[in-house]
Amino acid sequence: AQSVTQLDSQVPVFEEAPVELRCNYSSSVSVYLFWYVQYPNQGLQLLLKYLSGSTLVKGINGFEAEFNKSQTSFHLRKPSVHISDTAEYFCAVSGSGSARQLTFGSGTQLTVLP
Amino acid sequence: EAQVTQNPRYLITVTGKKLTVTCSQNMNHEYMSWYRQDPGLGLRQIYYSMNVEVTDKGDVPEGYKVSRKEKRNFPLILESPSPNQTSLYFCASRRQGGGNTIYFGEGSWLTVV
Repeated sequence: AQSVTQLDSQVPVFEEAPVELRCNYSSSVSVYLFWYVQYPNQGLQLLLKYLSGSTLVKGINGFEAEFNKSQTSFHLRKPSVHISDTAEYFCAVSGSGSARQLTFGSGTQLTVLP
Repeated sequence: EAQVTQNPRYLITVTGKKLTVTCSQNMNHEYMSWYRQDPGLGLRQIYYSMNVEVTDKGDVPEGYKVSRKEKRNFPLILESPSPNQTSLYFCASRRQGGGNTIYFGEGSWLTVV
């Protein structure tokens, strides 16, 4: 079994400040890791994913995440946020080779304040 | 344009009245799935399908049915909806393989009164 924990349900931050959204996972097998973003009244879209190789993954809109196997974490970061980054962010884990097991965290609402 | 299309987007229905939420994808993806999103719980998988005529239960299948008669379509059926099925529903698809990106529909808001 696998699980995903997003430690913060809400993160308010001022515009142009840096932000980190935390994600920890547990799994007994090798994993793929994902961050998805959901803008108001829309579906989810992929921000970035880690499959293998370099542990620092760069995604769209200036976001990046670092895979840390020893800490079983995959935190999402952005050095300077914009108002348009206000959205809900979901971390997800998929067991390698498993069709079923795409497990999502409970989400983090990022609110960027002017 | 690659997309996953769900219908209806918004629906209010009464307890016990059967309804179907349709889902169609134009990317020839083998894998399709339904999720429900509830506040504080993230997305939970209801059912998934690895290919035509192959379906399996996710984490919260009770009260739902699915079918996969064609590769592009994966309807979600609520035979006798109840208020606890009020939720936001997402259909998703991807190519086979756990590392491939999942593409989501825009969601269907369902209210059961």
